[in-house]
Amino acid sequence: SQQGEEDPQALSIQEGENATMNCSYKTSINNLQWYRQNSGRGLVHLILIRSNEREKHSGRLRVTLDTSKKSSSLLITASRAADTASYFCATDARGRGYQKVTFGIGTKLQVIP
Amino acid sequence: DVKVTQSSRYLVKRTGEKVFLECVQDMDHENMFWYRQDPGLGLRLIYFSYDVKMKEKGDIPEGYSVSREKKERFSLILESASTNQTSMYLCASSLARSSAEAFFGQGTRLTVV
Repeated sequence: SQQGEEDPQALSIQEGENATMNCSYKTSINNLQWYRQNSGRGLVHLILIRSNEREKHSGRLRVTLDTSKKSSSLLITASRAADTASYFCATDARGRGYQKVTFGIGTKLQVIP
Repeated sequence: DVKVTQSSRYLVKRTGEKVFLECVQDMDHENMFWYRQDPGLGLRLIYFSYDVKMKEKGDIPEGYSVSREKKERFSLILESASTNQTSMYLCASSLARSSAEAFFGQGTRLTVV
């Protein structure tokens, strides 16, 4: 089963607008990460937020985490056409000496110039 | 820069064939992962490994096996390929600590005919 579920599944905005994507998860996590995937390519890490953090910034990215609601959001401010990609959240669960990273379905973002 | 290399970008195999997908990373990462990505389903974890010769089932291991004889190499094996295994396969690696980001290969698009 999917650990992370992104919402919305698709988002289309004009260049310069802000884009907000949400992620919900089911079980306790150590941290939550956001990744970006350009069409037909591998994923690239964007930002990580630990379970004891509530908000984190990196350039035009802002991530929030609410562990009581088991949810996170990714905000991209002042979007650009180059931000067009799919965005995934990933959660990290620990087992007996191992670390399992699972991803959600993703949000497909289109930024229209 | 960390490099995760998957042996093929595109692969076409026949139903019933035994298929090997190879993944090599050059940063001495302990963790390695195999995912498959399908439209509308996101990334689903097939198998992962946290050490040489160690493996754990992910969420959809049926029809697959893996091999990790050396730390840098993680192979995904389709014992008898079927058409429902047509997919994009992504390999990733990470350090064995909870805040580690995962680094991805470019993916192998496998078509089973």
